[in-house]
Amino acid sequence: SQQGEEDPQALSIQEGENATMNCSYKTSINNLQWYRQNSGRGLVHLILIRSNEREKHSGRLRVTLDTSKKSSSLLITASRAADTASYFCATALNQAGTALIFGKGTTLSVSS
Amino acid sequence: DAGITQSPRHKVTETGTPVTLRCHQTENHRYMYWYRQDPGHGLRLIHYSYGVKDTDKGEVSDGYSVSRSKTEDFLLTLESATSSQTSVYFCATEGGSRYGYTFGSGTRLTVV
Repeated sequence: SQQGEEDPQALSIQEGENATMNCSYKTSINNLQWYRQNSGRGLVHLILIRSNEREKHSGRLRVTLDTSKKSSSLLITASRAADTASYFCATALNQAGTALIFGKGTTLSVSS
Repeated sequence: DAGITQSPRHKVTETGTPVTLRCHQTENHRYMYWYRQDPGHGLRLIHYSYGVKDTDKGEVSDGYSVSRSKTEDFLLTLESATSSQTSVYFCATEGGSRYGYTFGSGTRLTVV
């Protein structure tokens, strides 16, 4: 079973708007990671947030983590058509922190 | 990604035949992973390796075996392919948790 679950499953916005995706997970974690997948391609690592961090930024990306609620959110500000992709959160299967388990993803469509 | 090569990129095979997918990396990463991606299921971990000849099962390992005789190669074998194994298979490597995973471009396998 999936460790992380993204919400919503699909999101459609206009260019320039912000996009927020949420991830809920089940067990304690060392870190949580977000990935992007463009159609027909492999996943690309976006950002990693450790369990002792509450917020992290990378360019137009902002990730938050609330370990008490076992949830994380990914915010993409000022979205562009090129941000159209599927976004996945991932947490580790084991205590060693390896073997990531991915959620089912959020499909983001940004129209111009 | 240039550091990971999956072969073949596409394959059609018949039910009951053995199939081997290859993942080759030039990054000298210790950890390697095999995932399958299906609509409605996201990515699911099949097997992973934490070193030469060291492997472990993931979420959906039944019907699959793996081997890693060299750091750079991680093979996934379907001993007797079934239609339920029709999927896109992704290999990934990990060079350190803060860098996340690097994914290959995938192998699209169709079992008829």
